[in-house]
Amino acid sequence: QKEVEQNSGPLSVPEGAIASLNCTYSDRGSQSFFWYRQYSGKSPELIMFIYSNGDKEDGRFTAQLNKASQYVSLLIRDSQPSDSATYLCAVRTGRRALTFGSGTRLQVQP
Amino acid sequence: DGGITQSPKYLFRKEGQNVTLSCEQNLNHDAMYWYRQDPGQGLRLIYYSQIVNDFQKGDIAEGYSVSREKKESFPLTVTSAQKNPTAFYLCASSIEGLRTGELFFGEGSRLTVL
Repeated sequence: QKEVEQNSGPLSVPEGAIASLNCTYSDRGSQSFFWYRQYSGKSPELIMFIYSNGDKEDGRFTAQLNKASQYVSLLIRDSQPSDSATYLCAVRTGRRALTFGSGTRLQVQP
Repeated sequence: DGGITQSPKYLFRKEGQNVTLSCEQNLNHDAMYWYRQDPGQGLRLIYYSQIVNDFQKGDIAEGYSVSREKKESFPLTVTSAQKNPTAFYLCASSIEGLRTGELFFGEGSRLTVL
């Protein structure tokens, strides 16, 4: 079982819709969770991080964490074509380096 | 401007040659990392260093070597022992001791073996 799993997509949503990206992780000791956005050919940039159960909102983005289910998600409201990118979920356990999922490609259709 | 600088951005190598990718940061971060990304894949950890003169192997360290002689610098050498080195290489840094431990990335180096 992979440590961090994501559906590779592509996830296609119309402009203005809500995009829902999901991630599961295997280590119950994981304590910090990150969402990075990566445009083609570029390096990842941090969108959000979360470490407490529940929701965390930042503008159009909401991260949701459920440690009991080992599940973290990212919601993007009012999706824009500029949101089209690959979204990487990453998990930190103890002092280890971040472990990344393989990413979900999001396509927002104008 | 504070940040992470990777060089070169693009590098071509003949089989059997060693190459060194540079990574310099002026963020005063303690920890530095090297990740590899293959097309359509996530990031896989090669090596990381949490303090000067110390580093640990990641998940795919075979065929790679690193050094950490200065806090600001963490060069990666791709040796001829690395069987399939063509990939996008990302250097990152973070502040140790923070609960979150978010990574800040350089712009990446794309290595192609001819």
